[in-house]
Amino acid sequence: GDSVTQMEGPVTLSEEAFLTINCTYTATGYPSLFWYVQYPGEGLQLLLKATKADDKGSNKGFEATYRKETTSFHLEKGSVQVSDSAVYFCALSDYGGSQGNLIFGKGTKLSVKP
Amino acid sequence: NAGVTQTPKFRVLKTGQSMTLLCAQDMNHEYMYWYRQDPGMGLRLIHYSVGEGTTAKGEVPDGYNVSRLKKQNFLLGLESAAPSQTSVYFCASSWVGSNQPQHFGDGTRLSIL
Repeated sequence: GDSVTQMEGPVTLSEEAFLTINCTYTATGYPSLFWYVQYPGEGLQLLLKATKADDKGSNKGFEATYRKETTSFHLEKGSVQVSDSAVYFCALSDYGGSQGNLIFGKGTKLSVKP
Repeated sequence: NAGVTQTPKFRVLKTGQSMTLLCAQDMNHEYMYWYRQDPGMGLRLIHYSVGEGTTAKGEVPDGYNVSRLKKQNFLLGLESAAPSQTSVYFCASSWVGSNQPQHFGDGTRLSIL
């Protein structure tokens, strides 16, 4: 079945450091790919998405490119801030399904130190 | 600007008790979902609904029931709570289509003693 694998955390960085969180997927169809962010005590919020190969999603300085050849959707940010501390989830939604169900990775906790 | 609202936010139950979690959305979304979040497990889908009056099982449906009598509401029921159901429960909703993002509530933290 479809699955998402993302790098395990926690990840601890200093402010203004470069961030990469790896995400790879397995899918039989043509999935849409998402990154969600969860701040402490809150629900998940959509960070960015990409719906077809070579699409780049971007938001709030974060970027991820849908790479079909490597089945990857790595999250990057050039300069992290303390306010970026959160848990980040990679997810896919199989285009072949009609329900839009999401399959999530296990999450990567990011801590940014001043 | 409510979005997805979950009630209650916290609850403690004893084993064998029953309860219902309520999810309400004001975005006129067709699809609604219930997930549970456990440490190190990410989010797992319990049940979902693609429209008023319809429900379907997700990845981990055992021990839960759901109902969608009105388009804006999606109820999750625990008939006989078990300690294994201690978790944080999230409701989400979305437009039709697998490329549509889901909008999440803030969660219900449920402890079963």
